Amino acid sequence: GESVGLHLPTLSVQEGDNSIINCAYSNSASDYFIWYKQESGKGPQFIIDIRSNMDKRQGQRVTVLLNKTVKHLSLQIAATQPGDSAVYFCAETSPPGGANSKLTFGKGITLSVRP
Amino acid sequence: DGGITQSPKYLFRKEGQNVTLSCEQNLNHDAMYWYRQDPGQGLRLIYYSQIVNDFQKGDIAEGYSVSREKKESFPLTVTSAQKNPTAFYLCASSIGVSGAYEQYFGPGTRLTVT
Repeated sequence: GESVGLHLPTLSVQEGDNSIINCAYSNSASDYFIWYKQESGKGPQFIIDIRSNMDKRQGQRVTVLLNKTVKHLSLQIAATQPGDSAVYFCAETSPPGGANSKLTFGKGITLSVRP
Repeated sequence: DGGITQSPKYLFRKEGQNVTLSCEQNLNHDAMYWYRQDPGQGLRLIYYSQIVNDFQKGDIAEGYSVSREKKESFPLTVTSAQKNPTAFYLCASSIGVSGAYEQYFGPGTRLTVT
């Protein structure tokens, strides 16, 4: 099927290497961030989240780093595997909290894992 | 299994016809969302609903309509007024509408209008 990753920035990594996917966000008041993974033809899947009172959070093989000073979010994937090939989106709440705040999604980055 | 279902996976329509996309969730979530995704783009919010019988326009609501008669269901109608309806449509739900909750996504419906 048609790839949602068409025309997106692409990060190519060797299988077994670590991957770092970066995201710049726009709202300095955002207080909640999520990384999603989307495989071709499927809906996005939650990977990991982080709140603004933290600067690092670890999951299984993944780490999210938050630098509020420069409004930068990164996703690190250890020992990248072929199954990690997908489009990765960061999302932020903007504005934070409140009954009507919503997630705002970035455009996405395609991760391609070379065997 | 708990989750979100969307049907059908692929949908084809002639220009000028309205079409309704189904979204059902059994997660007991209050909030539900519809997004549109085009190649090389992020997710754009069409409509969202915080509670039954209530919904709000997102960023690109023109040419779309929704209803929320049941907590579990949030169907999206793509009307003939939508100028470029061919896209991948994603439904999501969350515990609450505040952005501080993870959104769970369905598998998507790819709509092609010719």
